[in-house]
Amino acid sequence: EAQVTQNPRYLITVTGKKLTVTCSQNMNHEYMSWYRQDPGLGLRQIYYSMNVEVTDKGDVPEGYKVSRKEKRNFPLILESPSPNQTSLYFCASTMTVGETQYFGPGTRLLVL
Amino acid sequence: DQQVKQNSPSLSVQEGRISILNCDYTNSMFDYFLWYKKYPAEGPTFLISISSIKDKNEDGRFTVFLNKSAKHLSLHIVPSQPGDSAVYFCAAREEGSYIPTFGRGTSLIVHP
Repeated sequence: EAQVTQNPRYLITVTGKKLTVTCSQNMNHEYMSWYRQDPGLGLRQIYYSMNVEVTDKGDVPEGYKVSRKEKRNFPLILESPSPNQTSLYFCASTMTVGETQYFGPGTRLLVL
Repeated sequence: DQQVKQNSPSLSVQEGRISILNCDYTNSMFDYFLWYKKYPAEGPTFLISISSIKDKNEDGRFTVFLNKSAKHLSLHIVPSQPGDSAVYFCAAREEGSYIPTFGRGTSLIVHP
């Protein structure tokens, strides 16, 4: 089954404790991205990657890092999480320009 | 500055009636428009799209209308069903871009 998976689905952590949210897709998609969804703000793009070792900032990259060492994986790293990063995070992938995106199920993060 | 605007945060409709969700955009370079549907605890899923060369696209109960001169698009759901209750995101993309810009979403509730 074609899908985008994210882990963990739920995470509670404390300020400053590094964490990684994993994202994996099994569709051989070139393009992957991370979004956060906040009430009243919709979906905002954090980072995106157009292929292995190619990443770039989205609209709200501050406080986040990403890496793309393999085509299928695109982890989101919070080196020093802060409470304002409490949010619902979605990973998405697409084959190429012009194709629609497939979204993962989301990771709900609470930073205390 | 929001380039894609969904000015109605919520919409309530009776089962069997028409649901009309609206979206406005400001960027004249957008040439492809999409609607995504999101249920709680799930990622957004692609619903329907329209290219700027068209003014209407239909898929079953879902129709998207595009008015380029007004920079406005709308999603019509006829007839509405309780299972259509979800958050609907409008998104727009420039030609050649992987990166869609999302609106803030409209929460649709269809009452039995």
